[in-house]
Amino acid sequence: NAGVTQTPKFQVLKTGQSMTLQCAQDMNHEYMSWYRQDPGMGLRLIHYSVGAGITDQGEVPNGYNVSRSTTEDFPLRLLSAAPSQTSVYFCASSLGRTSSLWTQYFGPGTRLLVL
Amino acid sequence: AQKITQTQPGMFVQEKEAVTLDCTYDTSDPSYGLFWYKQPSSGEMIFLIYQGSYDQQNATEGRYSLNFQKARKSANLVISASQLGDSAMYFCAMRGGGYQKVTFGTGTKLQVIP
Repeated sequence: NAGVTQTPKFQVLKTGQSMTLQCAQDMNHEYMSWYRQDPGMGLRLIHYSVGAGITDQGEVPNGYNVSRSTTEDFPLRLLSAAPSQTSVYFCASSLGRTSSLWTQYFGPGTRLLVL
Repeated sequence: AQKITQTQPGMFVQEKEAVTLDCTYDTSDPSYGLFWYKQPSSGEMIFLIYQGSYDQQNATEGRYSLNFQKARKSANLVISASQLGDSAMYFCAMRGGGYQKVTFGTGTKLQVIP
């Protein structure tokens, strides 16, 4: 199993550009999430999905869109990048269903710089 | 709203000694889960240990144990016999009543001294 994969590893954007951060998992996990990590602030939830076709907003959803057409993939779209979106982005997945299976497994992260 | 507080921005520990990283939480959900993750300088998030709110015993995973005190709303991570490879950021996190309510603390940077 590859686990949770993310692409790209690093990206530089100009203000106003759009892009999609890719996330895929091969563990047949129902639950997937996107987080951003900023210095001194831990991880903050952007969007999450509880299954194919079902998504919802987290703590900091503004400026980001998601969709989940398959169990495996959960892309994060930046519609018009802003310098405030400079961050490290993590995708995570978990099986859910019972308490111990809520453990999330993280991808390696995408480092995004918006100029 | 749920909240995780890690009051130790940084800590030092001598190699081979034990260290406790503090975590307190606040939630109104009767059912919740507590997690600890390790983030080395390479950046990946590594799951260490999990404790459910209804678990009767403290969780242990190798050199890691979670000191769960429900009445005090604390979930401290204890690392026994510290190793140089334990130097990293450590995050406490909590899942509340719904999957979406996963909240992370701001982390503690642990440095192990030879």
